[in-house]
Amino acid sequence: DTEVTQTPKHLVMGMTNKKSLKCEQHMGHRAMYWYKQKAKKPPELMFVYSYEKLSINESVPSRFSPECPNSSLLNLHLHALQPEDSALYLCASSHELQASPFFGSGTQLSVL
Amino acid sequence: AQKVTQAQTEISVVEKEDVTLDCVYETRDTTYYLFWYKQPPSGELVFLIRRNSFDEQNEISGRYSWNFQKSTSSFNFTITASQVVDSAVYFCALITSFSYDKVIFGPGTSLSVIP
Repeated sequence: DTEVTQTPKHLVMGMTNKKSLKCEQHMGHRAMYWYKQKAKKPPELMFVYSYEKLSINESVPSRFSPECPNSSLLNLHLHALQPEDSALYLCASSHELQASPFFGSGTQLSVL
Repeated sequence: AQKVTQAQTEISVVEKEDVTLDCVYETRDTTYYLFWYKQPPSGELVFLIRRNSFDEQNEISGRYSWNFQKSTSSFNFTITASQVVDSAVYFCALITSFSYDKVIFGPGTSLSVIP
């Protein structure tokens, strides 16, 4: 299994909603990442988990809250988002930091 | 400073033509890794290749080939006999021993292969 699986593929939410994005990998990777990608732009790093501990938070607003329940799962909890948060959210994993990240197909998020 | 430049924003070619996507990187580290990713309209970033700074051998994989030249800080990607399925955005990326937890992406090149 060489996949990073993200659910849901599409999400529409209002500014007062609470939702979660989920990411799963079964490659035994110990580093997992959340990226945000706006249209026609490269992905921007949001969070990095290494061995289930948060190692990087790229100054992301607190309305985004990551969680790593175990070595295979990564969640991104969303609350009180703004329309400008609409984007493609990509999860990635790698064997370790500095190894080749493998990306999921992303969740296309629209905030109304 | 670490930076990746992809000067070609958009490229259009006719099917079966060869096309080269340029990538120029900047880093002061002597140990670093270069990547190419493909992002088709479906959105997934597909890993194509990783190269470390100590391996300047060029690589060929089917219709894809990569030319790594440290002297010019370039890591160019050539698609031979392009096909419509090659239409995608291609990102060149860099990881250095200094920013080992952060992939530095170039701005991407959008390739359209016209039948």
